[in-house]
Amino acid sequence: GIQVEQSPPDLILQEGANSTLRCNFSDSVNNLQWFHQNPWGQLINLFYIPSGTKQNGRLSATTVATERYSLLYISSSQTTDSGVYFCAVVGGASGTYKYIFGTGTRLKVLA
Amino acid sequence: EAGVTQFPSHSVIEKGQTVTLRCDPISGHDNLYWYRRVMGKEIKFLLHFVKESKQDESGMPNNRFLAERTGGTYSTLKVQPAELEDSGVYFCASSQQLTGELFFGEGSRLTVL
Repeated sequence: GIQVEQSPPDLILQEGANSTLRCNFSDSVNNLQWFHQNPWGQLINLFYIPSGTKQNGRLSATTVATERYSLLYISSSQTTDSGVYFCAVVGGASGTYKYIFGTGTRLKVLA
Repeated sequence: EAGVTQFPSHSVIEKGQTVTLRCDPISGHDNLYWYRRVMGKEIKFLLHFVKESKQDESGMPNNRFLAERTGGTYSTLKVQPAELEDSGVYFCASSQQLTGELFFGEGSRLTVL
């Protein structure tokens, strides 16, 4: 099945700093999503981005499907950005319809 | 429009007891998924329903876990008998299309003592 790797595994930032999170996947995919798991455990949809670039406020994401990676950019980070960021992909040669999650990037933003 | 709802939000049971988790997907979403996160690790796939049919149950850990989706609406996930290693957060998600955008519920935290 598809392997999904995220980097870095852990990240500590000062408030106001920018960061880039990476998601690599081992096969072609039909779709890719980024999620933020907040400190209360909720999984919040950030981007649904099988290819191209999208922006939403201070966050943006780019997926280069042909090179099998996606990037999540966080600008001017705030303490509320803390939590775990997951990417999840669906598809691949096997034709599976289940989203496979990466191992996550744990982000802590310090005031 | 209501999102994905899960009940209970937290359940504490003794080893050997039974627990049933419920998920109500977004109205009109034929695809319903169960995932779990154990010990703060990866989010692992359990199974996928399309309407009332099990499309993929390759992630179900063993026969102590039973998922149903009668009538193609809400789903239940029963763990019987529960073991210590079943503790974790069980998430339900739904999507309108097979590989469409996935929406998650808030999760059901299961603690087995």
